[in-house]
Amino acid sequence: KAGVTQTPRYLIKTRGQQVTLSCSPISGHRSVSWYQQTPGQGLQFLFEYFSETQRNKGNFPGRFSGRQFSNSRSEMNVSTLELGDSALYLCASSLGLAGVDETQYFGPGTRLLVL
Amino acid sequence: QQPVQSPQAVILREGEDAVINCSSSKALYSVHWYRQKHGEAPVFLMILLKGGEQKGHEKISASFNEKKQQSSLYLTASQLSYSGTYFCGTWDNYGQNFVFGPGTRLSVLP
Repeated sequence: KAGVTQTPRYLIKTRGQQVTLSCSPISGHRSVSWYQQTPGQGLQFLFEYFSETQRNKGNFPGRFSGRQFSNSRSEMNVSTLELGDSALYLCASSLGLAGVDETQYFGPGTRLLVL
Repeated sequence: QQPVQSPQAVILREGEDAVINCSSSKALYSVHWYRQKHGEAPVFLMILLKGGEQKGHEKISASFNEKKQQSSLYLTASQLSYSGTYFCGTWDNYGQNFVFGPGTRLSVLP
């Protein structure tokens, strides 16, 4: 079974631009969660989508948004990019709603550099 | 609130054992453990649930002390492939925000 895939793998943008990242979950998985990883802040939860609805949200500004399609694929959008948005963005899929006992499988990530 | 992990880093020789701890100031309902190698995505190791149930890796064991709000990951007879950064994570705010600890960097030397 194919794993979680993310595109693109690398991206360079300039301040003020916007970016859209894509994540395809493992076949049959209905939940997609997004995380930001930086050396300073570590791994931080952005949000989770399940059945095309945002179910949970971390402490990030409204510039960070996402959506999920009927085939469970998800996109994350960051508007008005700031230098501090440079990070590795990881998505993770799980069979059901990510919860207390649900295993999350991570994709390889998209490395975003904002200049 | 972010879980606290200790130690921050540990260096071992092949065959040696290690313990990584994860604690929280809030009640824990489950603790998830992941390992991330440099340049790679985190890989699931184990979930420990309130009540003692475990789901995960064959060669790694862990404990979950609900009263102490703490979990420990036990790596025995370490192999070179165990090297990486180990993260614990848990759901916070009534299951609305999944929070990872800062990580423990493990290096296994030949």
